[in-house]
Amino acid sequence: KNEVEQSPQNLTAQEGEFITINCSYSVGISALHWLQQHPGGGIVSLFMLSSGKKKHGRLIATINIQEKHSSLHITASHPRDSAVYICAVRWGRLRSQGNLIFGKGTKLSVKP
Amino acid sequence: NAGVTQTPKFQVLKTGQSMTLQCAQDMNHEYMSWYRQDPGMGLRLIHYSVGAGITDQGEVPNGYNVSRSTTEDFPLRLLSAAPSQTSVYFCASRPLGLPIRETQYFGPGTRLLVL
Repeated sequence: KNEVEQSPQNLTAQEGEFITINCSYSVGISALHWLQQHPGGGIVSLFMLSSGKKKHGRLIATINIQEKHSSLHITASHPRDSAVYICAVRWGRLRSQGNLIFGKGTKLSVKP
Repeated sequence: NAGVTQTPKFQVLKTGQSMTLQCAQDMNHEYMSWYRQDPGMGLRLIHYSVGAGITDQGEVPNGYNVSRSTTEDFPLRLLSAAPSQTSVYFCASRPLGLPIRETQYFGPGTRLLVL
């Protein structure tokens, strides 16, 4: 069974700090997603990647396929970054294997 | 585009009642799915569909039915509600194609309380 493990489960930071959230998975994947769930409950897709690194503003996502590991970094964190960050993986390329497997999420709280 | 819409936003049911959670998307996505989110657990797949007329079970399908008569709509039916089905339900959709291009879009969620 393909498991997705995230760490830490909870993270509190001061405004301006550099934040790293980690995601590990157990089998080969075709894509990895980073999602953000706002305090109001809505879920939005931040990144989808299968290799290397992607950057959107202050957010950076990296993936190491050999080590089965991905990280989400937030530079110059801000209280509006407070949310739950969820890692999800897609483990196959066939349509029947297109479902995502989700980690439990990392709850980030950024204090002013 | 409205994206993915869900109704209702919140529902209270009594044990044994049935109801349908509605989900619609206006992005012409082939793939649609239903998840439940429970405290301390990741999102878990209930049912999914890769196109009109095609549905399949996910990780936790018991107690739920789905149908896909159109590309746009993917309702989730609770046949006989149980307290264990108290959860937040999310509908999602995405296009089918190369995995790396299949951005997932989520609805706002439905909070269900079964008494």
